Amino acid sequence: DAGVIQSPRHEVTEMGQEVTLRCKPISGHNSLFWYRQTMMRGLELLIYFNNNVPIDDSGMPEDRFSAKMPNASFSTLKIQPSEPRDSAVYFCASSNHGSHNYEQYFGPGTRLTVT
Amino acid sequence: SQKIEQNSEALNIQEGKTATLTCNYTNYSPAYLQWYRQDPGRGPVFLLLIRENEKEKRKERLKVTFDTTLKQSLFHITASQPADSATYLCALGEPGGSYIPTFGRGTSLIVHP
Repeated sequence: DAGVIQSPRHEVTEMGQEVTLRCKPISGHNSLFWYRQTMMRGLELLIYFNNNVPIDDSGMPEDRFSAKMPNASFSTLKIQPSEPRDSAVYFCASSNHGSHNYEQYFGPGTRLTVT
Repeated sequence: SQKIEQNSEALNIQEGKTATLTCNYTNYSPAYLQWYRQDPGRGPVFLLLIRENEKEKRKERLKVTFDTTLKQSLFHITASQPADSATYLCALGEPGGSYIPTFGRGTSLIVHP
């Protein structure tokens, strides 16, 4: 299994531009999570999907952020318009809802820099 | 909401010694507590889970303890190696077995040869 796949690995964009981050979860996993990690705030949950349905989006900072999961093998996180304070590493993680250990499998992350 | 405290200062130890990392929480007792390892430029990797009714869990050179009275978990790596150098994050699951753990900021471990 290739694990969780994220693209791009690095993104540099100018303030005001639209940014789209992509994630392919592990096949067979029914839960998907988007996180943001910064030195100041650590790892923050943005949104959680179960069976492709958004369950908890209380961590989404504001309306500029949106996430979709059109099918079990693909999810996107979009920021429009982007701002310098959005600069962070964004992780996608997937898990099996019935997992005994509740473990999450993280992708390699997308490092976003907004100038 | 749960507040999780992990030492922000890096822990430096000599190869072969036991490394001990601390995770403290301030509010409700979690249903479970996980430890993850994160290497630079990579996502966290799950290591161990301990449940609220367990005192200790072991896996190879790793040992985790859970003290609900002290509201603390200790993570031990015995016979540490330079390859153990990484950031270690604890994550707490809410009572009721939430699938969404809350992560601490992590502690950096540096093992010197």
